[in-house]
Amino acid sequence: GQQLNQSPQSMFIQEGEDVSMNCTSSSIFNTWLWYKQEPGEGPVLLIALYKAGELTSNGRLTAQFGITRKDSFLNISASIPSDVGIYFCAGHRSGGSNYKLTFGKGTLLTVNP
Amino acid sequence: DTAVSQTPKYLVTQMGNDKSIKCEQNLGHDTMYWYKQDSKKFLKIMFSYNNKELIINETVPNRFSPKSPDKAHLNLHINSLELGDSAVYFCASSQFMGQGIYFGPGTRLTVT
Repeated sequence: GQQLNQSPQSMFIQEGEDVSMNCTSSSIFNTWLWYKQEPGEGPVLLIALYKAGELTSNGRLTAQFGITRKDSFLNISASIPSDVGIYFCAGHRSGGSNYKLTFGKGTLLTVNP
Repeated sequence: DTAVSQTPKYLVTQMGNDKSIKCEQNLGHDTMYWYKQDSKKFLKIMFSYNNKELIINETVPNRFSPKSPDKAHLNLHINSLELGDSAVYFCASSQFMGQGIYFGPGTRLTVT
């Protein structure tokens, strides 16, 4: 089935550093979504992107829908300890009636205070 | 609070038993989903309902049966539980298909 390649798999950073993670696919996507999951909780929607080239911010988080529609990135600026968690990209692929949301395998972020 | 809620939070049961997980959303969304998250944290869709109609049914064993009594509820019944069914099950909803979805807190199912 279709796959999203999310990288890096994990990151260990110091508080205050900026973080960048991305997702790529061989297929074109209509929608890119970024989620954060903390232990024992469900994934929380951070940013939704619906247009190629779209750049959207949510506080210290910024995400972009790639021009080719095959990739997206998420940046976190000035990281803080509560940014710790697993970040997932997800997308709806273009074409037909395929509204299934495909998830990347996640990026585990650890922030050292 | 407006949200997606599901019960129970934890479910421990023996092989062969039948169990149900309940889900409710008060967001006024038309579409609801069940996702399974395995031990490696991979999220995979199981079912999707739009206005009480089954839209997506992935290759899930027919021991799993979703039921949507109305737009705000989507329950999951599992028959003859197996060890491999142990996972976290998330209910979710979205206004329309193709939009961002909102997840419930999850039900951690452990089959012994």
